[in-house]
Amino acid sequence: AQKITQTQPGMFVQEKEAVTLDCTYDTSDPSYGLFWYKQPSSGEMIFLIYQGSYDQQNATEGRYSLNFQKARKSANLVISASQLGDSAMYFCAMSKSRGAQKLVFGQGTRLTINP
Amino acid sequence: GAGVSQSPSNKVTEKGKDVELRCDPISGHTALYWYRQSLGQGLEFLIYFQGNSAPDKSGLPSDRFSAERTGGSVSTLTIQRTQQEDSAVYLCASSSGAGGNQPQHFGDGTRLSIL
Repeated sequence: AQKITQTQPGMFVQEKEAVTLDCTYDTSDPSYGLFWYKQPSSGEMIFLIYQGSYDQQNATEGRYSLNFQKARKSANLVISASQLGDSAMYFCAMSKSRGAQKLVFGQGTRLTINP
Repeated sequence: GAGVSQSPSNKVTEKGKDVELRCDPISGHTALYWYRQSLGQGLEFLIYFQGNSAPDKSGLPSDRFSAERTGGSVSTLTIQRTQQEDSAVYLCASSSGAGGNQPQHFGDGTRLSIL
């Protein structure tokens, strides 16, 4: 079975600082995908970034990057130059690469950006 | 462009009543998922449809829950004889294929409250 662990229930960061949100995972599947989603207070789930287990390079999407350390089974999200609009819940999730791609989610981290 | 559309956005009903929740996926997306988000349980997978394949129902919590997808597009999640523990936000997502690298795009959810 797949499992995602996010150990930071809440984080507070000053605007313009970089922030790292932790995510560790457990799976016996040799091939899998890792995702990060953002959920603002309005409730919608917004896809941020994807990392495949066989990808050689860490994924980047604008201010978001994924620090993928396969041996440590970690997939931390790094947000550079944080903005007030980054305040939200952040969920790490994983799926199998083949077959049903249902997502298994972590419990989330609530990020608050202070001005 | 149209995203995933869910209706109703809010539903309040009495314990024991049946409810139907609707999801209209992004046009052209062949995969459709239902998740449930509640305070105590986080985000849980319920059911997954991919093309003409048999749905993956492994996440449905009881036989009071069922879902169908008509014509490979719109899906309806039905909860019979609702219980108070069914109160949650029900999220629908769609993706363009069955590959594990396809991000799922979520609707705004239906907030279900059982009195």
